[in-house]
Amino acid sequence: LAKTTQPISMDSYEGQEVNITCSHNNIATNDYITWYQQFPSQGPRFIIQGYKTKVTNEVASLFIPADRKSSTLSLPRVSLSDTAVYYCLVGDVVTGGGNKLTFGTGTQLKVEL
Amino acid sequence: DVKVTQSSRYLVKRTGEKVFLECVQDMDHENMFWYRQDPGLGLRLIYFSYDVKMKEKGDIPEGYSVSREKKERFSLILESASTNQTSMYLCASSYSGSVYEQYFGPGTRLTVT
Repeated sequence: LAKTTQPISMDSYEGQEVNITCSHNNIATNDYITWYQQFPSQGPRFIIQGYKTKVTNEVASLFIPADRKSSTLSLPRVSLSDTAVYYCLVGDVVTGGGNKLTFGTGTQLKVEL
Repeated sequence: DVKVTQSSRYLVKRTGEKVFLECVQDMDHENMFWYRQDPGLGLRLIYFSYDVKMKEKGDIPEGYSVSREKKERFSLILESASTNQTSMYLCASSYSGSVYEQYFGPGTRLTVT
């Protein structure tokens, strides 16, 4: 199991850039890094996924160093609506062999005015 | 837009009852998943289905069974509900080529008394 470690909570203000780092020291060769966002009373929502270097979409950027033992989710210019729990997942399978994609307890991001 | 719907948002059942939770997706996804989410424990996979009539146990299958008779529908069955099955139940689906990008339903909050 590719264990991930991320901060329990973070606070920010509107308009700031937020970086949430996840460490995954025992990531395997086949593992991808995936981030989800969850609002209260809703199911998680896929944000971004990457294997190495940098990935960017309309919502966020994902930075992955060469050793892949950590990753950073970057949210540009956050707003109040970005207040949510963010999950970092590492793995390549759901069941069976290989590292399983597993949701941890996530990082609670709170954005204030 | 992918839509995953779950039959109920809130459900209250008595100990020993047989409980059916239904999930329907409209994007012709091959994969479907059932998770439960509990405070401090994150999301835990109960069962996974990668095709009609096919299923695999997740991390916590005890006390649950599933049924997938049609591609778009995945049912979770609690054979004899117990109080420790009080939880938020989340259904998700994804394309066969990607278990990383899962689309979640809104969840069913089940209370067993």
